[in-house]
Amino acid sequence: DGGITQSPKYLFRKEGQNVTLSCEQNLNHDAMYWYRQDPGQGLRLIYYSQIVNDFQKGDIAEGYSVSREKKESFPLTVTSAQKNPTAFYLCASSILVIGVNTGELFFGEGSRLTVL
Amino acid sequence: GQQLNQSPQSMFIQEGEDVSMNCTSSSIFNTWLWYKQDPGEGPVLLIALYKAGELTSNGRLTAQFGITRKDSFLNISASIPSDVGIYFCAGQPLIYNQGGKLIFGQGTELSVKP
Repeated sequence: DGGITQSPKYLFRKEGQNVTLSCEQNLNHDAMYWYRQDPGQGLRLIYYSQIVNDFQKGDIAEGYSVSREKKESFPLTVTSAQKNPTAFYLCASSILVIGVNTGELFFGEGSRLTVL
Repeated sequence: GQQLNQSPQSMFIQEGEDVSMNCTSSSIFNTWLWYKQDPGEGPVLLIALYKAGELTSNGRLTAQFGITRKDSFLNISASIPSDVGIYFCAGQPLIYNQGGKLIFGQGTELSVKP
């Protein structure tokens, strides 16, 4: 079945450690995104990528890094520079229709990161 | 940065009641979307709107793209227990030129009492 898979679902790390969250999609979607969700808040965009080997910063990119070496994969690294990393992280993908993004996102099930 | 104001923040209703929630923006949007998130899961797209004034239904759900292009509403008729969750509005601001960036509202948490 086609879909978008995030792993791990739960992750605990000590302060100061870098953490990489995996996101894989087999929907053949061009664009991929990482959002952060905190309780009582909407989703905030961290990074997004519309083509392989290219990505742009979102609204809260500081302390995060990404790569897009393959169309199917868009891993997110939460670095020690991120001051408040404990959150629910959501990966999403979307198609481009004649190069235009419809905004219709397909989300993974999320990864909950807790920094102790 | 861009912000969406979504209201109400939470709703507690009786099964069978109708529900209405809305989002407003200070700037013009060219796309409005409504998502639902179940606990511990990722959001799922409910309805997408692309034209000012557009009214679209999906089963018991109805959403409209405001004529001013600065607002949208979502109605749920005859609510049932499985409607429980967080509903998010999202939009693509016109200035982003459909580059794929969405702005999300803060969410409306819906509770339905059987």
